[in-house]
Amino acid sequence: KNEVEQSPQNLTAQEGEFITINCSYSVGISALHWLQQHPGGGIVSLFMLSSGKKKHGRLIATINIQEKHSSLHITASHPRDSAVYICAVSSSSGEYGNKLVFGAGTILRVKS
Amino acid sequence: NAGVTQTPKFRILKIGQSMTLQCAQDMNHNYMYWYRQDPGMGLKLIYYSVGAGITDKGEVPNGYNVSRSTTEDFPLRLELAAPSQTSVYFCASSYYAAYNEQFFGPGTRLTVL
Repeated sequence: KNEVEQSPQNLTAQEGEFITINCSYSVGISALHWLQQHPGGGIVSLFMLSSGKKKHGRLIATINIQEKHSSLHITASHPRDSAVYICAVSSSSGEYGNKLVFGAGTILRVKS
Repeated sequence: NAGVTQTPKFRILKIGQSMTLQCAQDMNHNYMYWYRQDPGMGLKLIYYSVGAGITDKGEVPNGYNVSRSTTEDFPLRLELAAPSQTSVYFCASSYYAAYNEQFFGPGTRLTVL
């Protein structure tokens, strides 16, 4: 079992739809990261959070530490949101010290 | 600031050849990382460094070597390339440990034939 599981693996949405991507993890963490990777492109950090909720434009990230679960929401989705969204967790202790553990990513396609 | 830079962007190697993937950052970050990304798989850590002169293995270090002689540079060496090393390689850096935000380079797409 992977320490970080994302769902769904693939997601196709119509422009304007509200999108949710989920991330569950099984280890103790110090922070959870959401990253974005456009096709053929580099990886950009969207959010780093350890509690509660963060918002940036149309993107919202939430985390529930007790349930070991995070969600990334995209409101009013647009074709330019098409990308791979990656969840990663960091832990400063144990075997994961100083490292990130990554989920496999969610491939999002937004159709116009 | 250029951030994290990687060279080359693309490379094709023959089995058994060697090469060095270059990575540099100009943000004075202590921590640097090398990852590989295979289709449908999450990023896997190859090696990382917590400062100049200090490196350690990640999940998939076999077939690779690294050095960190300066804060800015963290080259990844492939010796005796194998088809299993066909992948996209990303270098990343952060100021503190993984708790802090990691900044990624643009990646190097390597094919071994």
